[in-house]
Amino acid sequence: DAKTTQPPSMDCAEGRAANLPCNHSTISGNEYVYWYRQIHSQGPQYIIHGLKNNETNEMASLIITEDRKSSTLILPHATLRDTAVYYCIVRVNQGGSEKLVFGKGMKLTVNP
Amino acid sequence: DGGITQSPKYLFRKEGQNVTLSCEQNLNHDAMYWYRQDPGQGLRLIYYSQIVNDFQKGDIAEGYSVSREKKESFPLTVTSAQKNPTAFYLCASSLRGAKNIQYFGAGTRLSVL
Repeated sequence: DAKTTQPPSMDCAEGRAANLPCNHSTISGNEYVYWYRQIHSQGPQYIIHGLKNNETNEMASLIITEDRKSSTLILPHATLRDTAVYYCIVRVNQGGSEKLVFGKGMKLTVNP
Repeated sequence: DGGITQSPKYLFRKEGQNVTLSCEQNLNHDAMYWYRQDPGQGLRLIYYSQIVNDFQKGDIAEGYSVSREKKESFPLTVTSAQKNPTAFYLCASSLRGAKNIQYFGAGTRLSVL
């Protein structure tokens, strides 16, 4: 089972910042939060990951709360090409191996 | 051009037939994975391999088989025992280790005739 919860969908206006929330209240101290996105009929694309500090790269910023129970992915200037399903993922340990468990994700629609 | 290549992009299976989906990577990654995705759903792990000549069942391995004879290749066979094979199949690879960033191929869409 996924260890994260996300709203099923969200809309954003083109050019505005898109703030995508994720709850992971059962996260352990050494577990990373990963974000991927999947554009229709393509393979998922890695965006960013973090442990407890905020992270930024060329695609997005990741803000993790101090208690690490939630995080927000920020796309600073959303474009139409950012329309996709976004997955917030925490690794789980199953059978001695670390795995990524993808839930249903959140559909972000960027509108003109 | 580095990356993960899945082939074919579209595949059709007849009743009672086994089909094999190809996944090749030139990223020098040790670990490789196969996922299945049904419409409107997330990804479910079928099989994964952390090292050559070794692989482990994921959450939905029944009706599928894999091999890992080479580091670069991790083919998935959908056997006739898989009664509902129509889905989007995704292959991924990663370095071993704690950060485990997985990189995905473009996927193979399998349909039953």
